[in-house]
Amino acid sequence: NAGVTQTPKFQVLKTGQSMTLQCAQDMNHEYMSWYRQDPGMGLRLIHYSVGAGITDQGEVPNGYNVSRSTTEDFPLRLLSAAPSQTSVYFCASRQGTQTLGYNSPLHFGNGTRLTVT
Amino acid sequence: AQSVAQPEDQVNVAEGNPLTVKCTYSVSGNPYLFWYVQYPNRGLQFLLKYITGDNLVKGSYGFEAEFNKSQTSFHLKKPSALVSDSALYFCAVRDIATGFRLNFGKGTSLLVTP
Repeated sequence: NAGVTQTPKFQVLKTGQSMTLQCAQDMNHEYMSWYRQDPGMGLRLIHYSVGAGITDQGEVPNGYNVSRSTTEDFPLRLLSAAPSQTSVYFCASRQGTQTLGYNSPLHFGNGTRLTVT
Repeated sequence: AQSVAQPEDQVNVAEGNPLTVKCTYSVSGNPYLFWYVQYPNRGLQFLLKYITGDNLVKGSYGFEAEFNKSQTSFHLKKPSALVSDSALYFCAVRDIATGFRLNFGKGTSLLVTP
């Protein structure tokens, strides 16, 4: 059982370049989300999705796009990378959007460490 | 807005001693609280949650947390710390407004020394 898989593990970009961070889960989870982790700031929600075709903005969405064409995949796109986007990015999923699902644990991938120079 | 605060950036404990990692919350309505742990170069792992019921919640790896409504706290505890417990610990609260989102604290680094 792979759980949540993120690729790549590491990436270096130059300012202005674009890229896509991949996230896939094999648990048939409806809810998927992207967080960024910065020292002293904890985890901040970028975007989330409650099912295929449905996405919404989190706390820090600027500079990022998402789409959800399948239940399994939730890629995060950086349109024009900036040094401020240097961070560790985590994808997380959990089951269901019904009341019981709201309190189900989040399952995290192992992260993508992104450096923008 | 639903939020949590972790007042300590770092907690140092000797192996075998009890440990406490503090978390306070600010919510409107009933709180839904969580603890996660992050080991180096890994994603977060779920430890335990408080939804309703007993104020003492037991979780993974021998951890427990005490919900205290009057003090608006949800401290993480373990009776006897292990060196392998050294990690980053996050408290989180479910955002009632959206129902979906978890709002995380800034994290507390726990160092257990032999």
